[in-house]
Amino acid sequence: EVQLVESGGGLVQPGGSLRLSCSASGFTFSNYAMLWVRQAPGKGLEYISAISNDGGSTYYADSVKGRFTISRDNSKNTLYLQMSSLRPEDTAVYHCVKKIPGRSPCDYWGQGTLVTVSS
Amino acid sequence: DIQMTQSPSTLSASVGDRVTITCRASQSISNWLAWYQQKPGKAPNLLIYSASTLESGVPSRFSGSGSGTEFTLTISSLQPDDFATYYCQQYSSFWTFGQGTKVEIK
Repeated sequence: EVQLVESGGGLVQPGGSLRLSCSASGFTFSNYAMLWVRQAPGKGLEYISAISNDGGSTYYADSVKGRFTISRDNSKNTLYLQMSSLRPEDTAVYHCVKKIPGRSPCDYWGQGTLVTVSS
Repeated sequence: DIQMTQSPSTLSASVGDRVTITCRASQSISNWLAWYQQKPGKAPNLLIYSASTLESGVPSRFSGSGSGTEFTLTISSLQPDDFATYYCQQYSSFWTFGQGTKVEIK
């Protein structure tokens, strides 16, 4: 059974930093590209970052480019999102998402971890 | 960037109704479109991909159609378990979601 479990969320002040982790199991993690998708309270879904299966290619939405860094450790089956210069508008539930190979949608989502940016 | 626009934002319907949700892309995305269902406090669940292919395990009352810039998700006979929010997603160029359509009880 595919499982994606996020951790690392919490309350942080504006301008602060936080690192999210996503522990993956139930599939060969190193074979799949992964995404981070966030959802602000009461709002819709927003893709923010993606990484290729080997970590060699990374992609960012304009809203987080230069502030967030996605990475992965295939030996630990773990995906990361390093977030810095956080803003109140970054407040959201952050989901770790597994992507189907090729030009394709996402088939498994974690339950998410809540990040709250507030003073 | 490709923008996705869903309509309506909210839809009130009764059990047994036929429900249609529309999603429009700001440029042609061929059939690189997926639909997801999300219930409160839960992660989204993939329903349809390639605009019209039903994901394994998804009830046949769900169907999708369209290509290019206009797409629809249809629920042929709404069931109690279907009251949720639905999102379209394009994956032609990176990934963009529509703003969501909440299907609520009339």
